[in-house]
Amino acid sequence: NAGVTQTPKFQVLKTGQSMTLQCAQDMNHEYMSWYRQDPGMGLRLIHYSVGAGITDQGEVPNGYNVSRSTTEDFPLRLLSAAPSQTSVYFCATRTSGNYNEQFFGPGTRLTVL
Amino acid sequence: SQQGEEDPQALSIQEGENATMNCSYKTSINNLQWYRQNSGRGLVHLILIRSNEREKHSGRLRVTLDTSKKSSSLLITASRAADTASYFCATDATGGFKTIFGAGTRLFVKA
Repeated sequence: NAGVTQTPKFQVLKTGQSMTLQCAQDMNHEYMSWYRQDPGMGLRLIHYSVGAGITDQGEVPNGYNVSRSTTEDFPLRLLSAAPSQTSVYFCATRTSGNYNEQFFGPGTRLTVL
Repeated sequence: SQQGEEDPQALSIQEGENATMNCSYKTSINNLQWYRQNSGRGLVHLILIRSNEREKHSGRLRVTLDTSKKSSSLLITASRAADTASYFCATDATGGFKTIFGAGTRLFVKA
């Protein structure tokens, strides 16, 4: 049981490049989300999904796209990377319902030059 | 803006002492959660308290929730050097699916 996996662990991009951060889970959780964490700060919600085919915006969605074609996968796409997107990105999952904890992946450290 | 605000931003104590961290939030919530993050790692869930609960315990952790003041506190008793980490509160708003995190408290426990 791998839990929540994220790839890659590290990535360096040039301004304007695009890329996809991968998130996969094997816990059959309905709810998945993407956060970014900037140095010395908490997590800010980018996008989330309450099930396959359903996504919605979080606090800071601009510059990012998501899709959820399967329960297991929730990729995050950077359309045109900017230095302001340099951050650590975390994917998280949880079961549906109001009182369930989130399980986090190990994170992807992204640097945009 | 972030829902939760932790206080203090940083806390340094001796091993064996108690550590108290506070969290305030802005809107009505369904539940409040506390997470721990070791340096460079992902977050680990510690405890969840529902909006109709006032206090909850888990091992050396004690969480209180005051919905009238929109605040929560996390108490770690008899702290250990291994408790050194950042601690975050997070809230699920009533009727929503968004979990919003605070900026965290960095706890340093000296051996």
